[in-house]
Amino acid sequence: GQNIDQPTEMTATEGAIVQINCTYQTSGFNGLFWYQQHAGEAPTFLSYNVLDGLEEKGRFSSFLSRSKGYSYLLLKELQMKDSASYLCAVYSGAGSYQLTFGKGTKLSVIP
Amino acid sequence: DTGVSQDPRHKITKRGQNVTFRCDPISEHNRLYWYRQTLGQGPEFLTYFQNEAQLEKSRLLSDRFSAERPKGSFSTLEIQRTEQGDSAMYLCASSQRTEQETQYFGPGTRLLVL
Repeated sequence: GQNIDQPTEMTATEGAIVQINCTYQTSGFNGLFWYQQHAGEAPTFLSYNVLDGLEEKGRFSSFLSRSKGYSYLLLKELQMKDSASYLCAVYSGAGSYQLTFGKGTKLSVIP
Repeated sequence: DTGVSQDPRHKITKRGQNVTFRCDPISEHNRLYWYRQTLGQGPEFLTYFQNEAQLEKSRLLSDRFSAERPKGSFSTLEIQRTEQGDSAMYLCASSQRTEQETQYFGPGTRLLVL
């Protein structure tokens, strides 16, 4: 089966750093994606990890440990516009092209 | 930059009616996906096309649901005899055949069944 866990909600202060964790147990693994989704809008691609380690992209970084089934998304210098849901999704591969999503973490950035 | 587009953006229908949604993928993308998302949940996979061939279907896709991609470009998702439980956001995504296979999502069609 597929199981992806993320915290339901988080709150952080403008200008601060926040880390959103994701743990997964899936029948296969061929990469992990992070998407941002503002309320009522489509998910937008943030990052992709397939190898262990940290991928940095501006204010956003994503980390993967395949042996631990663990990833995190790190957001630096938080801005009010970062208030959104953050979705962790696993691409299992092995002939299946679907993404399996977690329920998402709703991040609220406060002044 | 033309992204994934979906039409309509909103649909209100009465229980028992049929509805059809359209998705136009990014032009050079040969893979197209449909997902369904309800409030507080992540998107759930429904089906996937490579060009015009429907290669994967979720068990969520009951026999009231049918999807087509007749010429390998746009796709339609039809729901027959809608039920209140079908109320959700229907998302379409497309990807290019690469190692990363990043899926890019459209704005979605929000369906409300009364």
